[in-house]
Amino acid sequence: SYELTQPPSVSVSPGQTASITCSGNKLGDKYASWYQQKPGQSPVLVIYQDKNRPSGIPERFSGANSGNTATLTISGTQAMDEADYYCQAWDSSTYVFGTGTKVTVL
Amino acid sequence: QLQLQESGPGLVKPSETLSLICTVSGGFISSSSFYWGWIRQPPGKGLEWIGSIYYNGSAYYNPSLKSRVTMSLDTSRSQFSLKATSVTAADTAVYYCARDRQATTGTHLFDYWGQGTLVTVSS
Repeated sequence: SYELTQPPSVSVSPGQTASITCSGNKLGDKYASWYQQKPGQSPVLVIYQDKNRPSGIPERFSGANSGNTATLTISGTQAMDEADYYCQAWDSSTYVFGTGTKVTVL
Repeated sequence: QLQLQESGPGLVKPSETLSLICTVSGGFISSSSFYWGWIRQPPGKGLEWIGSIYYNGSAYYNPSLKSRVTMSLDTSRSQFSLKATSVTAADTAVYYCARDRQATTGTHLFDYWGQGTLVTVSS
């Protein structure tokens, strides 16, 4: 079965850039989406089709996908961005979620 | 604004059947533009897709759960449901319902989520 691997944690200082990777076999041939989940809350879609932001998502969130890796970048990270982030792809008629990354804003 | 709300028992005994309902408001569950899905999250762990159902009742499931789960749709009540048989402690999780948006362009994503409901499997 298809797998998506993320680093367990990423730390970033306020105002700096956080990059979260998502690795999967030929992931660049698929669309990647990203979800933000704050403690006790439901996931929120922040990036879809690799690089598109839904309405209401701040411009500091951006995405890219090439080769075997998709990347979510948070520019000018704010304290409110502290959360778990999950990538997601579609493979063989199955939704696959990444292992999740906890972003800590120090 | 589309809203989804999960409901069902918070406690299920081992070997019994888990049953949940998702009620959709602010949108049409009978729209041919969307699927409707279930995702779960064990305490402290990641997200796992369970399955999705189309407005005409056709459904597809995570292969790892397919033998135990069934989804159905009631358009008259704007509800869709999940049943999972022979549950064990490993099925303890927060269960989310969500709108599943798919397109011929290859888009597959969940754009609206319910608040989630915790189901504990314990005797």
